[in-house]
Amino acid sequence: EVQLLESGGGLVEPGGSLRLSCAASGFTFSTYPMRWVRQAPGKGLEWVSAISGGGSSTYYAESVKGRFTISRDNSKNTLYLQMTSLRADDTAVYYCAKVYYDAGTYYNYFDYWGQGTLVTVSS
Amino acid sequence: EIVLTQSPATLSLSPGEGATLSCRASQSVSSYLAWYQQKPGQAPRLLIYDASNRATGIPARFSGSGSGTDFTLTISSLEPEDFAIYYCQHRSSWPLTFGGGTKVAIK
Repeated sequence: EVQLLESGGGLVEPGGSLRLSCAASGFTFSTYPMRWVRQAPGKGLEWVSAISGGGSSTYYAESVKGRFTISRDNSKNTLYLQMTSLRADDTAVYYCAKVYYDAGTYYNYFDYWGQGTLVTVSS
Repeated sequence: EIVLTQSPATLSLSPGEGATLSCRASQSVSSYLAWYQQKPGQAPRLLIYDASNRATGIPARFSGSGSGTDFTLTISSLEPEDFAIYYCQHRSSWPLTFGGGTKVAIK
């Protein structure tokens, strides 16, 4: 059974930093690209960042570029999101998500999601 | 950035009725569009990928259509568990973007 378990969220002051983790199990983690998606309270979904299976390719939304860093440790089956220079509009539930795979093709959609971890940026 | 616009914002229907949700892209995304369902307090669930393909385990009452800039999610007959918010998402190019969502509410 695929499981994704985020941790590391919490309350942080504007300008602060936080590192989110996502522990994966139930699938061959190293072969799957992974994503972070966030959802501000009462709002819609926003894609944040992406990383390839091996970790060599990364992508970011403009809103977080230069402030957030995605990485992964395939030996630990764990995905990370290092967040710095946090702002009030970064307040959201952050989900890690696994890319959908079917019949030999990876699709840049998300079939398994974690339960989410809440990041609140406030003084 | 490709902007996805969903309509209507809210759809009020009764169980057993059909639902038609729209997603319009600001430029062509070919058939590279997915639909998700999200219930309160839960993560989204992938329903449809590449415009018209049902994801694993998704009931046949959910169907998707469209290409280019105009897409539709159809729920043929609403079950009580289908009342939720639905989002579209494209994979045509970076950045990936989602639509603002359509809430399917009980009338």
